[in-house]
Amino acid sequence: GENVEQHPSTLSVQEGDSAVIKCTYSDSASNYFPWYKQELGKRPQLIIDIRSNVGEKKDQRIAVTLNKTAKHFSLHITETQPEDSAVYFCAPNSGNTPLVFGKGTRLSVIA
Amino acid sequence: GAGVSQSPSNKVTEKGKDVELRCDPISGHTALYWYRQSLGQGLEFLIYFQGNSAPDKSGLPSDRFSAERTGGSVSTLTIQRTQQEDSAVYLCASSLGANTEAFFGQGTRLTVV
Repeated sequence: GENVEQHPSTLSVQEGDSAVIKCTYSDSASNYFPWYKQELGKRPQLIIDIRSNVGEKKDQRIAVTLNKTAKHFSLHITETQPEDSAVYFCAPNSGNTPLVFGKGTRLSVIA
Repeated sequence: GAGVSQSPSNKVTEKGKDVELRCDPISGHTALYWYRQSLGQGLEFLIYFQGNSAPDKSGLPSDRFSAERTGGSVSTLTIQRTQQEDSAVYLCASSLGANTEAFFGQGTRLTVV
């Protein structure tokens, strides 16, 4: 099965700074790379995803970059705000296996 | 419905009792997942249903856990002879299929006393 690792496990940044979270995976058949955000006490929600035929995708302050050769993809958040504080999960998938999440990265944005 | 619905929202049960947790997925979603989340921890995969295929039960932690999905819609997760370590939030998610956005329910908080 897919072996998924996220780094770092916790991250603190000053408001306005950028944050980067990296997700490495083992299954070379993975072709779908989503990131989910879970705010305290709430359910996880998809914030951005990318497919293997694309190297980068942006949506306002968030972006995802993919390196299929090295088997990792990263979440980039620019101009961080307090409401970005949450736990972020990656879930690389090939479509043939269940959606398995990384252990999560707890992001704290300090005002 | 408008979203994934889970019931009950909270359940307190005595150690050794059986519990049933229900999930109503979004209409038309063929994929349904169950996860367990302990306090401050990640999303532990339990079981996956995809259409009419046999469910992927590889995440179930013991034979006390089972799940079914009737008519390709509603799913029930059953935990027999509950233990204190079963205390957690149980989350259900559904999606249109593989490699599409998963929508989560609000979860059932299970407390075993």
